Amino acid sequence: GAVVSQHPSRVICKSGTSVKIECRSLDFQATTMFWYRQFPKQSLMLMATSNEGSKATYEQGVEKDKFLINHASLTLSTLTVTSAHPEDSSFYICSAHAIRQSTDTQYFGPGTRLTVL
Amino acid sequence: EDQVTQSPEALRLQEGESSSLNCSYTVSGLRGLFWYRQDPGKGPEFLFTLYSAGEEKEKERLKATLTKKESFLHITAPKPEDSATYLCAVIQTDSWGKLQFGAGTQVVVTP
Repeated sequence: GAVVSQHPSRVICKSGTSVKIECRSLDFQATTMFWYRQFPKQSLMLMATSNEGSKATYEQGVEKDKFLINHASLTLSTLTVTSAHPEDSSFYICSAHAIRQSTDTQYFGPGTRLTVL
Repeated sequence: EDQVTQSPEALRLQEGESSSLNCSYTVSGLRGLFWYRQDPGKGPEFLFTLYSAGEEKEKERLKATLTKKESFLHITAPKPEDSATYLCAVIQTDSWGKLQFGAGTQVVVTP
């Protein structure tokens, strides 16, 4: 149980284009989903918190107009990187917290490697 | 300043050589401490959640413990498949479930 998927696993795009990444909780409903980015040899940095049916909450320094988050249902959240530039190249990972779960445990997706040329 | 610090940064072990990883934290109020394992190019895999000082959790060759200032992840008789980066993270009481990660300990177990 507690499986989270991400799609695509890897994407290469040209500078200036937009890229959408999907995060799905496959066997549970998620009240909250989180989006992280991870640079090589570094730990995970939280970008934003996404609650179903409401606006995402962004961490300080994260541009909300550049990283659009939509949490349309209890099993799906999407991250759209708009007008991507090479500095947006990174490993993007989502996590989900299950409804009816007595712990605060978050389950992570496998990540999406974004390369912007 | 709230911090999560992991040590050592890297650890090289012979197969069967037990060791411990440290995670020290300075936060205003701890709601929970989490251990994850991350393999290269993959998302973190959940290992343990600890809530109270004195609490211990075990899973196969791994055992996590918690005090009021730090947590240890003990690896007993490791195997090469235990090679990974081990991440420690905390959730503070007023943080709405946000995980604050340490930098991780990269463990390599050689045959």
